[in-house]
Amino acid sequence: DVKVTQSSRYLVKRTGEKVFLECVQDMDHENMFWYRQDPGLGLRLIYFSYDVKMKEKGDIPEGYSVSREKKERFSLILESASTNQTSMYLCASASGGGVQPQHFGDGTRLSIL
Amino acid sequence: DAKTTQPNSMESNEEEPVHLPCNHSTISGTDYIHWYRQLPSQGPEYVIHGLTSNVNNRMASLAIAEDRKSSTLILHRATLRDAAVYYCILRTTNSNSGYALNFGKGTSLLVTP
Repeated sequence: DVKVTQSSRYLVKRTGEKVFLECVQDMDHENMFWYRQDPGLGLRLIYFSYDVKMKEKGDIPEGYSVSREKKERFSLILESASTNQTSMYLCASASGGGVQPQHFGDGTRLSIL
Repeated sequence: DAKTTQPNSMESNEEEPVHLPCNHSTISGTDYIHWYRQLPSQGPEYVIHGLTSNVNNRMASLAIAEDRKSSTLILHRATLRDAAVYYCILRTTNSNSGYALNFGKGTSLLVTP
């Protein structure tokens, strides 16, 4: 089975801090994704990557950046955390092709105080 | 994007079959029907997908209407661990659509002992 591992289940940070969320997948998938999930707003795509060192903006990239130096690892960076970035963050991976299933990690519940 | 319509909630008894409906009357020929579910405090989990023919896997079955305007996810024998929100999504092979998963509100399935 595909395993997508997110580094933390719960994280508490302060406003203005630089925050790193890490995600690792073990299935050699080309595509990796970062979403945030908020009540009433569903799943929103922040960034995705289709190859090492490649990235594409999703629907809500403002305030975030990403890094993909190795195929198995995709990092989400909050450059200067703000309270409106308090959310559940979900990482996913998928093999090539737009209709391939995405496999998710268990999520990181991030609170910015 | 073609939209889907699902009931807000459904209830089932444990060990009974569950049929979760999804309407997608504006589906196009390139749209695949995907189902995901999300258990409490976990990331979404891929369940099954199909294009025209019915599909079976170890988790569930997917029955697709002949005109493809509706589909049904079938859990053959519900367990308490199947209590989750189930999302029906259309995903197209059209590269302009992007890779984001657009979860609607889904169907919240309650399974009672």
